[in-house]
Amino acid sequence: EDKVVQSPLSLVVHEGDTVTLNCSYEVTNFRSLLWYKQEKKAPTFLFMLTSSGIEKKSGRLSSILDKKELFSILNITATQTGDSAVYLCAVDPGANNLFFGTGTRLTVIP
Amino acid sequence: SAVISQKPSRDICQRGTSLTIQCQVDSQVTMMFWYRQQPGQSLTLIATANQGSEATYESGFVIDKFPISRPNLTFSTLTVSNMSPEDSSIYLCSVSGGYQETQYFGPGTRLLVL
Repeated sequence: EDKVVQSPLSLVVHEGDTVTLNCSYEVTNFRSLLWYKQEKKAPTFLFMLTSSGIEKKSGRLSSILDKKELFSILNITATQTGDSAVYLCAVDPGANNLFFGTGTRLTVIP
Repeated sequence: SAVISQKPSRDICQRGTSLTIQCQVDSQVTMMFWYRQQPGQSLTLIATANQGSEATYESGFVIDKFPISRPNLTFSTLTVSNMSPEDSSIYLCSVSGGYQETQYFGPGTRLLVL
C-alpha cells in the first residue's frame, strides 16, 4: 500500500531558528514529490521535486529529494511567526492522485 | 497558476440533507479533483472530475454519496448527499496545470454536519 510519512508531527520553535521537516515515502510508482503549506484551509504550493540531489530554493525555504533513500526534507531558515502552518508532503505517482502525508504542524513563537 | 474559487466557503448543515459545493477556475484546465480533509487528518482524494463523462472515484467513495458534475473545462460541483456528522470536513477542489502539471488548490469549503 502506498504511504507517505512525515515527521515530526508537530514542532514548536522560536523565531530565528532553523527547522528541518522530513518526508519519507513508499509508493509503487513515482513521478514527483510536492510540498505544500496549509495555513487555514487551502494548501499553497511550495515545491515540486522530481530529481535526486537537486535543491529547490525559494527565499528562506529549500527542499531536496533523495530517490534512492525515498525521502525528502524541507528546510526553513530564520523562521518567522508567519511560517506557522501545517506543512504537507505529497507524492504524485503519475496518475494525478496525490498521496498526502499527515503533515507537520509548525508553530513559531516570537 | 490558475485562480480557483469555491462556494460556499463554509456551511453548517443538518444530517440527512445534501450540500453542493462549486469550484470555478479562471482558465480552462484538463484535470479537476475533489479532496476531503477530515479533522486532524490529511487530504484524501475523493474523485477526479472528468469533463463530459462520469467522475472517477477512489476506493471508499461512491457516486451516490458524492455525485460530481463537470459541465465544462472551468467548473465542477461536488454534492455531499444524505449527510451525517462523519461528513464534517474541509472539501477542496484542485486543478492540474502549469509546468509539470502541478496541482493547485482552491480555498476550500468547511462543512459541519449537526
